[in-house]
Amino acid sequence: QSVLTQPPSASGTPGQRVTISCSGSTSNIGSNYVSWFQQLPGTAPKLLINRNSQRPSGVPDRFSGSKSGTSASLAISGLRSEDEADYYCAAWDDSLSGYVFGTGTKVTVL
Amino acid sequence: EVQLVESGGGLVQPGGSLRLSCAASGFTFSSYSMNWVRQAPGKGLEWVSHISSSSSTLSYADSVKGRFTISRDNAKNSLYLQMNSLRDEDTAVYYCARDAPALGFWGQGTLVTVSS
Repeated sequence: QSVLTQPPSASGTPGQRVTISCSGSTSNIGSNYVSWFQQLPGTAPKLLINRNSQRPSGVPDRFSGSKSGTSASLAISGLRSEDEADYYCAAWDDSLSGYVFGTGTKVTVL
Repeated sequence: EVQLVESGGGLVQPGGSLRLSCAASGFTFSSYSMNWVRQAPGKGLEWVSHISSSSSTLSYADSVKGRFTISRDNAKNSLYLQMNSLRDEDTAVYYCARDAPALGFWGQGTLVTVSS
């Protein structure tokens, strides 16, 4: 059961900037760090952003994250064909004592 | 290099049981909390369960509470998920994921199919 809300889809042409939103509540995004994951077709999710805005080693700086209050966002600048994937946000939820995921956003490169 | 390899998936009838394993390597397993996350066919990600590094803290999603049990053996660098009273809606790919960073490393997943 997804507790974080994301738009189902987003798209852009190569080189454009795409932004994905993630809306939660005080018990999750409002109180804890947000992570973002990229899932290419047929593969396991991969961590893109942790602690709201930190990129793990190897993640291109085209990917950036931010958080404000009970919402977060992921931005992909300089969109490339290989960015076509599903993207999920996640955060620890203090009420559930577990992680909650976003509903997922499918990014299409036109 | 961090490696997580799940096993134990397969076809099981409703009401049946299955035990998933996750073999960890490339890091000090006993120092990290671990999770199970699942993904039903064509659906999004769903967190299933969390276990602290020393097994002192366990937590479960409401959808599996009372039916699934998470455990670990730090001497064997292994994580487990005992799944009982399986339902059709438990059909999914099950991933193990390491924390620090949060859900930072994932295995390739193992498919569990619950069907008669």
